[in-house]
Amino acid sequence: QKEVEQNSGPLSVPEGAIASLNCTYSDRVSQSFFWYRQYSGKSPELIMSIYSNGDKEDGRFTAQLNKASQYVSLLIRDSQPSDSATYLCAVNVDTGRRALTFGSGTRLQVQP
Amino acid sequence: DGGITQSPKYLFRKEGQNVTLSCEQNLNHDAMYWYRQDPGQGLRLIYYSQIVNDFQKGDIAEGYSVSREKKESFPLTVTSAQKNPTAFYLCASSAETGVTETQYFGPGTRLLVL
Repeated sequence: QKEVEQNSGPLSVPEGAIASLNCTYSDRVSQSFFWYRQYSGKSPELIMSIYSNGDKEDGRFTAQLNKASQYVSLLIRDSQPSDSATYLCAVNVDTGRRALTFGSGTRLQVQP
Repeated sequence: DGGITQSPKYLFRKEGQNVTLSCEQNLNHDAMYWYRQDPGQGLRLIYYSQIVNDFQKGDIAEGYSVSREKKESFPLTVTSAQKNPTAFYLCASSAETGVTETQYFGPGTRLLVL
Protein backbone atom coordinates (compact mmCIF):
# COMPACT_ATOMS: atom_id res chain seq x y z
CA GLN A 1 0.00 0.00 0.00
CA LYS A 2 1.32 3.41 -0.98
CA GLU A 3 1.89 5.76 1.92
CA VAL A 4 0.16 8.72 0.27
CA GLU A 5 -2.49 8.04 -2.38
CA GLN A 6 -4.21 10.33 -4.82
CA ASN A 7 -6.45 9.70 -7.79
CA SER A 8 -4.34 10.60 -10.82
CA GLY A 9 -7.32 12.07 -12.71
CA PRO A 10 -7.77 14.02 -14.81
CA LEU A 11 -10.49 15.69 -12.80
CA SER A 12 -12.45 17.89 -15.17
CA VAL A 13 -14.70 20.68 -13.85
CA PRO A 14 -16.39 23.62 -15.58
CA GLU A 15 -15.22 27.14 -14.87
CA GLY A 16 -16.86 28.53 -11.73
CA ALA A 17 -17.49 25.11 -10.19
CA ILE A 18 -16.00 23.63 -7.03
CA ALA A 19 -13.12 21.23 -7.55
CA SER A 20 -12.60 18.61 -4.86
CA LEU A 21 -9.25 16.86 -4.57
CA ASN A 22 -8.68 14.01 -2.16
CA CYS A 23 -5.69 12.34 -0.55
CA THR A 24 -5.38 9.41 1.85
CA TYR A 25 -2.36 8.48 3.91
CA SER A 26 -1.29 5.38 5.78
CA ASP A 27 0.67 6.63 8.79
CA ARG A 28 -1.60 7.43 11.77
CA VAL A 29 1.07 9.52 13.52
CA SER A 30 1.42 11.98 10.64
CA GLN A 31 1.08 15.55 11.86
CA SER A 32 1.75 17.85 8.91
CA PHE A 33 -0.14 17.95 5.63
CA PHE A 34 0.49 20.08 2.58
CA TRP A 35 -1.02 20.79 -0.81
CA TYR A 36 1.22 21.89 -3.65
CA ARG A 37 0.27 23.00 -7.14
CA GLN A 38 2.51 22.10 -10.06
CA TYR A 39 2.09 23.52 -13.52
CA SER A 40 3.42 21.46 -16.40
CA GLY A 41 7.21 21.70 -16.58
CA LYS A 42 7.44 23.81 -13.42
CA SER A 43 8.34 23.12 -9.80
CA PRO A 44 5.71 22.65 -7.07
CA GLU A 45 4.46 25.72 -5.25
CA LEU A 46 2.87 25.59 -1.82
CA ILE A 47 -0.87 26.29 -1.66
CA MET A 48 -1.78 25.37 1.88
CA SER A 49 -0.66 23.56 4.97
CA ILE A 50 -2.90 22.04 7.64
CA TYR A 51 -2.06 20.44 10.97
CA SER A 52 -5.33 20.13 12.91
CA ASN A 53 -8.59 18.35 12.20
CA GLY A 54 -11.20 20.46 10.49
CA ASP A 55 -11.17 23.07 7.77
CA LYS A 56 -8.68 25.77 6.91
CA GLU A 57 -9.62 28.42 4.40
CA ASP A 58 -7.40 30.70 2.35
CA GLY A 59 -9.15 32.66 -0.36
CA ARG A 60 -10.73 30.25 -2.82
CA PHE A 61 -8.94 27.28 -1.27
CA THR A 62 -10.11 25.18 1.67
CA ALA A 63 -8.11 22.30 3.10
CA GLN A 64 -9.94 19.68 5.15
CA LEU A 65 -8.23 17.23 7.47
CA ASN A 66 -9.73 14.14 9.11
CA LYS A 67 -7.03 12.28 11.03
CA ALA A 68 -9.39 9.54 12.24
CA SER A 69 -10.19 8.60 8.64
CA GLN A 70 -6.67 9.47 7.46
CA TYR A 71 -7.63 11.74 4.63
CA VAL A 72 -6.99 15.30 3.63
CA SER A 73 -8.78 17.15 0.87
CA LEU A 74 -8.52 20.42 -1.01
CA LEU A 75 -11.53 22.33 -2.27
CA ILE A 76 -11.14 25.01 -4.90
CA ARG A 77 -14.14 27.30 -5.18
CA ASP A 78 -14.98 29.29 -8.31
CA SER A 79 -12.47 27.26 -10.32
CA GLN A 80 -10.63 29.16 -13.03
CA PRO A 81 -8.81 27.86 -16.12
CA SER A 82 -5.60 29.09 -14.47
CA ASP A 83 -6.20 26.49 -11.73
CA SER A 84 -5.55 23.75 -14.30
CA ALA A 85 -2.48 21.96 -12.94
CA THR A 86 -1.40 18.89 -11.03
CA TYR A 87 -2.07 19.05 -7.30
CA LEU A 88 0.32 17.18 -5.04
CA CYS A 89 -0.54 16.06 -1.53
CA ALA A 90 2.41 15.76 0.87
CA VAL A 91 2.51 14.23 4.34
CA ASN A 92 5.21 13.71 6.94
CA VAL A 93 4.66 9.96 7.25
CA ASP A 94 7.88 9.40 9.14
CA THR A 95 8.46 12.04 11.83
CA GLY A 96 11.85 10.52 12.64
CA ARG A 97 13.05 11.33 9.15
CA ARG A 98 11.48 14.81 9.11
CA ALA A 99 10.91 14.61 5.37
CA LEU A 100 7.72 14.72 3.35
CA THR A 101 6.22 11.89 1.32
CA PHE A 102 4.36 12.99 -1.78
CA GLY A 103 1.43 11.47 -3.56
CA SER A 104 1.62 11.08 -7.32
CA GLY A 105 -0.72 14.02 -7.84
CA THR A 106 -4.15 14.69 -9.30
CA ARG A 107 -4.39 16.51 -12.61
CA LEU A 108 -7.14 19.13 -12.61
CA GLN A 109 -8.62 20.51 -15.82
CA VAL A 110 -10.92 23.53 -15.58
CA GLN A 111 -12.98 23.88 -18.74
CA PRO A 112 -13.76 27.48 -19.84
CA ASP B 1 15.16 38.36 -3.17
CA GLY B 2 15.05 35.30 -0.93
CA GLY B 3 14.73 31.96 -2.63
CA ILE B 4 16.20 28.77 -3.97
CA THR B 5 18.19 28.65 -7.16
CA GLN B 6 19.08 25.60 -9.19
CA SER B 7 21.46 25.36 -12.09
CA PRO B 8 21.62 24.52 -14.84
CA LYS B 9 18.03 24.50 -16.05
CA TYR B 10 18.86 21.71 -18.52
CA LEU B 11 21.75 19.27 -18.28
CA PHE B 12 22.89 16.65 -20.72
CA ARG B 13 24.84 13.63 -19.58
CA LYS B 14 26.88 11.28 -21.66
CA GLU B 15 27.16 7.60 -20.86
CA GLY B 16 29.60 6.96 -18.00
CA GLN B 17 29.78 10.61 -17.03
CA ASN B 18 29.24 12.09 -13.57
CA VAL B 19 27.33 15.36 -13.48
CA THR B 20 26.64 17.77 -10.62
CA LEU B 21 23.45 19.74 -10.09
CA SER B 22 23.69 22.92 -8.09
CA CYS B 23 21.25 24.06 -5.40
CA GLU B 24 21.67 27.29 -3.43
CA GLN B 25 19.30 28.95 -0.95
CA ASN B 26 19.44 32.29 0.85
CA LEU B 27 16.45 31.63 3.12
CA ASN B 28 18.69 30.68 6.04
CA HIS B 29 16.97 27.29 6.13
CA ASP B 30 18.63 24.45 8.01
CA ALA B 31 17.20 21.55 6.02
CA MET B 32 17.64 20.85 2.33
CA TYR B 33 16.30 18.06 0.13
CA TRP B 34 16.71 16.53 -3.30
CA TYR B 35 13.81 14.91 -5.14
CA ARG B 36 13.47 13.20 -8.45
CA GLN B 37 10.29 13.40 -10.52
CA ASP B 38 9.58 11.13 -13.47
CA PRO B 39 6.82 11.94 -15.98
CA GLY B 40 3.34 11.54 -14.51
CA GLN B 41 4.69 10.62 -11.12
CA GLY B 42 5.12 12.23 -7.75
CA LEU B 43 8.34 13.28 -6.09
CA ARG B 44 10.72 10.68 -4.71
CA LEU B 45 13.30 11.61 -2.07
CA ILE B 46 16.93 11.07 -3.03
CA TYR B 47 18.88 12.66 -0.15
CA TYR B 48 18.21 15.15 2.59
CA SER B 49 20.27 17.16 5.03
CA GLN B 50 19.05 18.62 8.30
CA ILE B 51 22.29 20.35 9.24
CA VAL B 52 25.66 21.28 7.77
CA ASN B 53 28.09 18.37 7.34
CA ASP B 54 25.33 15.81 7.79
CA PHE B 55 23.01 14.13 5.30
CA GLN B 56 20.88 11.00 5.03
CA LYS B 57 19.79 8.72 2.20
CA GLY B 58 16.24 8.94 1.01
CA ASP B 59 14.23 6.31 -0.80
CA ILE B 60 16.23 6.22 -4.04
CA ALA B 61 19.83 7.20 -3.12
CA GLU B 62 21.62 4.58 -5.23
CA GLY B 63 23.68 6.20 -7.98
CA TYR B 64 23.63 9.63 -6.35
CA SER B 65 25.88 11.48 -3.93
CA VAL B 66 25.64 14.79 -2.07
CA SER B 67 27.63 17.11 0.16
CA ARG B 68 26.62 19.79 2.64
CA GLU B 69 29.70 21.86 3.42
CA LYS B 70 27.78 25.15 3.66
CA LYS B 71 24.34 25.91 5.01
CA GLU B 72 23.24 27.55 1.77
CA SER B 73 24.48 24.89 -0.65
CA PHE B 74 23.48 21.25 -1.28
CA PRO B 75 24.88 19.95 -4.59
CA LEU B 76 23.77 16.63 -6.04
CA THR B 77 26.05 14.45 -8.14
CA VAL B 78 24.49 11.95 -10.50
CA THR B 79 27.11 9.25 -10.93
CA SER B 80 27.63 6.80 -13.77
CA ALA B 81 26.13 4.13 -11.50
CA GLN B 82 22.70 5.73 -11.96
CA LYS B 83 21.53 3.85 -15.04
CA ASN B 84 18.31 5.76 -15.65
CA PRO B 85 19.04 9.38 -14.72
CA THR B 86 16.64 11.10 -17.12
CA ALA B 87 14.23 13.00 -14.86
CA PHE B 88 13.28 16.37 -13.40
CA TYR B 89 15.37 17.08 -10.30
CA LEU B 90 13.99 19.33 -7.61
CA CYS B 91 15.80 20.86 -4.66
CA ALA B 92 13.86 22.07 -1.64
CA SER B 93 14.56 23.62 1.72
CA SER B 94 12.69 24.02 4.99
CA ALA B 95 13.16 25.94 8.21
CA GLU B 96 12.75 22.80 10.34
CA THR B 97 10.78 24.54 13.06
CA GLY B 98 8.86 22.25 15.39
CA VAL B 99 6.79 19.69 13.55
CA THR B 100 6.10 21.87 10.56
CA GLU B 101 7.97 20.76 7.49
CA THR B 102 6.92 23.33 4.93
CA GLN B 103 9.25 22.84 2.01
CA TYR B 104 9.92 25.39 -0.67
CA PHE B 105 11.16 24.32 -4.05
CA GLY B 106 13.69 25.62 -6.52
CA PRO B 107 12.84 25.83 -10.24
CA GLY B 108 14.33 22.40 -11.01
CA THR B 109 16.92 20.91 -13.35
CA ARG B 110 15.92 18.67 -16.21
CA LEU B 111 18.54 15.99 -16.85
CA LEU B 112 18.71 14.24 -20.18
CA VAL B 113 20.98 11.45 -21.35
CA LEU B 114 22.68 11.77 -24.72
